[in-house]
Amino acid sequence: GAVVSQHPSRVICKSGTSVKIECRSLDFQATTMFWYRQFPKQSLMLMATSNEGSKATYEQGVEKDKFLINHASLTLSTLTVTSAHPEDSSFYICSARSREDSPLHFGNGTRLTVT
Amino acid sequence: AQTVTQSQPEMSVQEAETVTLSCTYDTSESDYYLFWYKQPPSRQMILVIRQEAYKQQNATENRFSVNFQKAAKSFSLKISDSQLGDAAMYFCAYRSPGAGSYQLTFGKGTKLSVIP
Repeated sequence: GAVVSQHPSRVICKSGTSVKIECRSLDFQATTMFWYRQFPKQSLMLMATSNEGSKATYEQGVEKDKFLINHASLTLSTLTVTSAHPEDSSFYICSARSREDSPLHFGNGTRLTVT
Repeated sequence: AQTVTQSQPEMSVQEAETVTLSCTYDTSESDYYLFWYKQPPSRQMILVIRQEAYKQQNATENRFSVNFQKAAKSFSLKISDSQLGDAAMYFCAYRSPGAGSYQLTFGKGTKLSVIP
């Protein structure tokens, strides 16, 4: 079946640095990818929708200059957390779909810890 | 805006027994999709079952079935013959229809424990 690979699975960084998270669709072309954030014991909150070849659409309250999204190809979207702070520590999950009527496939997530 | 409510933060079931997880939602749309996702300790989100609102027949996937009550805006998940591997967080999710609208709205989740 369709697989979405997310890398890294865990990352620890110092406050003020930037971290890049990759989301790849391994066996299908993903026209749209989604980035979610999940706090402990809470649900997934959509951060942004990433469309190949165009600017991402951010949800209300999500800082686009802090969470940079690039969807440069049909198989790769990246989320860069810039100038990370401890409050950015969270679990980030990407998902992708190949067609509008296909189900979402999720990556394994990235646990970000900012010290 | 659509909202999804899961009123049971935690549930437990004896192995081989049946359990039902509740989900209600609020929407003004007549056509939409509903999903149940499972998130085990590995944190991988796994699609369990999906239901199209225009279909009256309840979706079924092996031991998993739903009770979709459109008028009541209720979408419960029944797990039969529960297995240890069913222990996980379960999220109910809503999706609007239409081109370009594939955002999922998730409920807060229900943590299911399976007792051996």
